Amino acid sequence: GAGVSQSPSNKVTEKGKDVELRCDPISGHTALYWYRQSLGQGLEFLIYFQGNSAPDKSGLPSDRFSAERTGGSVSTLTIQRTQQEDSAVYLCASSRGLDTYEQYFGPGTRLTVT
Amino acid sequence: AQKVTQAQTEISVVEKEDVTLDCVYETRDTTYYLFWYKQPPSGELVFLIRRNSFDEQNEISGRYSWNFQKSTSSFNFTITASQVVDSAVYFCALSEAQQAGTALIFGKGTTLSVSS
Repeated sequence: GAGVSQSPSNKVTEKGKDVELRCDPISGHTALYWYRQSLGQGLEFLIYFQGNSAPDKSGLPSDRFSAERTGGSVSTLTIQRTQQEDSAVYLCASSRGLDTYEQYFGPGTRLTVT
Repeated sequence: AQKVTQAQTEISVVEKEDVTLDCVYETRDTTYYLFWYKQPPSGELVFLIRRNSFDEQNEISGRYSWNFQKSTSSFNFTITASQVVDSAVYFCALSEAQQAGTALIFGKGTTLSVSS
């Protein structure tokens, strides 16, 4: 079946612009996760959704980051007023539920802020 | 606090050699899960294995085997008779049952290079 998909695969933006990153989880997966992978910080957890709800936003790096999920499916990670330190690969993962701990990852969106 | 340490940053081997990737974890939870993921040059993280804290049995899957030892808080991964296609970055990760959302805490990864 189809895996997790993310778009765009690459995004180059100018400092100060807003960007939206999209994630389509595996069909039927209720839990969705966003991670960021950068050279300096490795793989770091950002936020998770159970259904459309994100109970804990403390992993988001700053208030410029926000995420939403609609219809229990597609999720969007928005970064406002991008900064160069936001450059990273943003990875989305999904799992059948919070009690099922195998997370399946998408190919990621490589964000470059110039 | 939870933490995953992969002390080996890079490992280089020649095909057919066996190689072991080390993973040491820290957690205060009694219920937790350990994972290994593979990230080939294409970039997509591939799930390899999940192990819960109550199951210390070693596992073998083809050329892959995992050794879980709670006494030393280690979850090591061995590739037998390595192949060039095994070249990738390998990540060990921890998830705690008490932690909301069961987010994965990753180690820094070990880059494995297998030459022919």
